[in-house]
Amino acid sequence: KAGVTQTPRYLIKTRGQQVTLSCSPISGHRSVSWYQQTPGQGLQFLFEYFSETQRNKGNFPGRFSGRQFSNSRSEMNVSTLELGDSALYLCASSGQGSDEQYFGPGTRLTVT
Amino acid sequence: QKEVEQNSGPLSVPEGAIASLNCTYSDRGSQSFFWYRQYSGKSPELIMFIYSNGDKEDGRFTAQLNKASQYVSLLIRDSQPSDSATYLCAVNRNYQLIWGAGTKLIIKP
Repeated sequence: KAGVTQTPRYLIKTRGQQVTLSCSPISGHRSVSWYQQTPGQGLQFLFEYFSETQRNKGNFPGRFSGRQFSNSRSEMNVSTLELGDSALYLCASSGQGSDEQYFGPGTRLTVT
Repeated sequence: QKEVEQNSGPLSVPEGAIASLNCTYSDRGSQSFFWYRQYSGKSPELIMFIYSNGDKEDGRFTAQLNKASQYVSLLIRDSQPSDSATYLCAVNRNYQLIWGAGTKLIIKP
């Protein structure tokens, strides 16, 4: 079974721009979660989607948004990028009735 | 107090010895507990999960859960240099994982 895939793997953006990251979950998994990882703050939860519905959201500003499509693929968008948004963005998927989350390789975003 | 706490380390263990990693959590209602391994520059990899009090073994790894004391631990037997990584403890709450800061483990040959 193929794992979680994320695209792109690396991104360099300028302050004020926006960015869209994509995540394809493991086949059959309908839950997709997004996390931000930085050296200073560690892993922080952004949001979780199941069957196109956001079930939970972390404490991030409204510039961070996401969505999930009918095929369970998910995207997250960050608008008006700030230097502090530089981080590794991780996507994880889990199967129905399961709490175990499996991570993709991440997207390394650098904001200059 | 953080919701999930781990000693940041580094924890240095000789090759072949047992590495013991600990984690405490504050929410008594927590039901699901996870250990992830993360190599530098890579994403977290799920290595163990445990839902019930007691021990759960998988190869060289044993997870231990004590809900009364609110701690979960990970034992790695016969430690290998390839086990050198950061180990993250996570607790599931309302469809999200709450993370500890991670313990850096160094296995010395």
